[in-house]
Amino acid sequence: KNEVEQSPQNLTAQEGEFITINCSYSVGISALHWLQQHPGGGIVSLFMLSSGKKKHGRLIATINIQEKHSSLHITASHPRDSAVYICAAGGGADGLTFGKGTHLIIQP
Amino acid sequence: EAGVAQSPRYKIIEKRQSVAFWCNPISGHATLYWYQQILGQGPKLLIQFQNNGVVDDSQLPKDRFSAERLKGVDSTLKIQPAKLEDSAVYLCASSLWTDTQYFGPGTRLTVL
Repeated sequence: KNEVEQSPQNLTAQEGEFITINCSYSVGISALHWLQQHPGGGIVSLFMLSSGKKKHGRLIATINIQEKHSSLHITASHPRDSAVYICAAGGGADGLTFGKGTHLIIQP
Repeated sequence: EAGVAQSPRYKIIEKRQSVAFWCNPISGHATLYWYQQILGQGPKLLIQFQNNGVVDDSQLPKDRFSAERLKGVDSTLKIQPAKLEDSAVYLCASSLWTDTQYFGPGTRLTVL
């Protein structure tokens, strides 16, 4: 069974700062997902990646398959980026294993 | 494109009562997932359907939880009888096959 660890659990930063959230998993996977969850519960899928790097706007996700590690970066952070960011590893017939999430607060 | 729909959004019941949640996935998505998310934790998969067949229900507490997706489209998740520890957000997600999952808004259940 895959184990997914995220760090940090909580992160408070000032507007404009560069943010990094890390995710490690224990078992080789077919894909890794980064999700964003706002207060109220709705979850939005940000990225699904199996190698290299993906970029969408101010968000960048990277994955190192050999090291079983992924990072989510936010450039020029803004208060509207405040949310819980969840890493989920796996996919396919094995389903996803979710981390506990990183609670990010961006202060103006 | 319409997203994943869930209802109700909120439900408050007393322990030992029954409750049902409904999910309508994105049109054309073969795979449907039900997750339970307890406060402060990541979502936990309860059951995964592909069309109307069950792919994985290993973490579904089958003594009290049941789910169905009879026509391979909508799905219902039922809890009978509810316990205090069932208080959580129940998330439905769908995907074309086993790729990117799209999540619904969730149903927040409070069991008193």
